[in-house]
Amino acid sequence: DAKTTQPPSMDCAEGRAANLPCNHSTISGNEYVYWYRQIHSQGPQYIIHGLKNNETNEMASLIITEDRKSSTLILPHAPLRDTAVYYCIVTPRSGSARQLTFGSGTQLTVLP
Amino acid sequence: EAGVAQSPRYKIIEKRQSVAFWCNPISGHATLYWYQQILGQGPKLLIQFQNNGVVDDSQLPKDRFSAERLKGVDSTLKIQPAKLEDSAVYLCASSLISGRRNEQFFGPGTRLTVL
Repeated sequence: DAKTTQPPSMDCAEGRAANLPCNHSTISGNEYVYWYRQIHSQGPQYIIHGLKNNETNEMASLIITEDRKSSTLILPHAPLRDTAVYYCIVTPRSGSARQLTFGSGTQLTVLP
Repeated sequence: EAGVAQSPRYKIIEKRQSVAFWCNPISGHATLYWYQQILGQGPKLLIQFQNNGVVDDSQLPKDRFSAERLKGVDSTLKIQPAKLEDSAVYLCASSLISGRRNEQFFGPGTRLTVL
């Protein structure tokens, strides 16, 4: 699986947008970009995923560059409860369940 | 819908002792995963089951770790004997075999401390 690079930590003011970058310069054509987050003392939670088009759901937006070598997770109007470790993962997606290879992620702290 | 259940939530043992963790996945999820998460690191996959068969156990330290998923539902992960470096959170996750999001659902984990 392709390797990802994320900043170890970021801060964001409560109510402002948080933009979390991820570099995946060796991503293959059949690999998707997944984002999970892990709130303290909980298991990871799926946020969003995409292949090449930008995606949006009730939790976040995912912007993938045209060359697919990097992406940004956007948390609009981040509340304090969005404080967590955010993991960017690339993985092939086929008809069968795929493994997730987690890196160290980005610790996002939403400040009051 | 009930989530992934794990027990116990916390366990403290001495080195060389044995320990077992239990996981009940979401109903209907054929795929089950066990991950080990050491403090400050991301989760690392130990073993993946599909129904009651092992898909991948390449990162499972088989000299001391074992896992089973009888009847393709609940699963147990065992460590025997435990070492100090086994101190970690053990996470269980489940997913459908295939699905639009290919999403894994994680339990709360079992925090193991080996003294």
